[in-house]
Amino acid sequence: EIMLTQSPATLSVSPGERATLSCRASQSVSSNLVWYQQKPGQAPRLLIYGVSTRATGIPDRFSGSGSGTEFTLTISSLQSEDFAVYYCQQFNNWPPLTFGGGTRVEIK
Amino acid sequence: EVQLVESGGGLVQPGESLRLSCAASGFTFSNSWMTWVRQAPGKGLEWVANIKPDGNEANYVDSVKGRFTISRDNAKNSLFLQMNSLRVEDTAVYYCAKGARYPDVWGRGTLVTVSS
Repeated sequence: EIMLTQSPATLSVSPGERATLSCRASQSVSSNLVWYQQKPGQAPRLLIYGVSTRATGIPDRFSGSGSGTEFTLTISSLQSEDFAVYYCQQFNNWPPLTFGGGTRVEIK
Repeated sequence: EVQLVESGGGLVQPGESLRLSCAASGFTFSNSWMTWVRQAPGKGLEWVANIKPDGNEANYVDSVKGRFTISRDNAKNSLFLQMNSLRVEDTAVYYCAKGARYPDVWGRGTLVTVSS
């Protein structure tokens, strides 16, 4: 089973600032990694698939990069609606699909 | 509009059973892999199971194998999760989601609480 480690666990950022979230895989997942956003009391929402392709309706301030074992989600200028928990998930070697533990982006 | 609505959650005692349902609309259900993902209170996401469009293949996380069964009724655009021998550690919000490799549409979830 592939383990995904996200860092940091919590990121404190001021509105308008840049946020950089990391996801590391225990072995290569090639480009088979996606990112989700989850707000309190809501279901996860697909943000990025194929490492860097934004899902429908996702603003271009969200970008993804990486390959193999190291991946990054960048939010270029944080808006109030972006404060949430972000999860990475791999599908290179499944079942099972596996998720990272999440990064909480909070207001500084 | 693509929509998934879960139901069937509730409070049960350890060892009891529960059946979750998910009503799908707005897409061709019979062509879609479907997935259950759960989230324990205050915790992260855990993939539980998925099922092929024709219902002839299903996959499970090890912790539920032999206890949970995923199934579907394509005529009724419905997905199910039969949960037997429930444990305290199965307590979670259970989400129904569309897709196999990376679910792209999720329901709002239904809460299952296993407690004595």
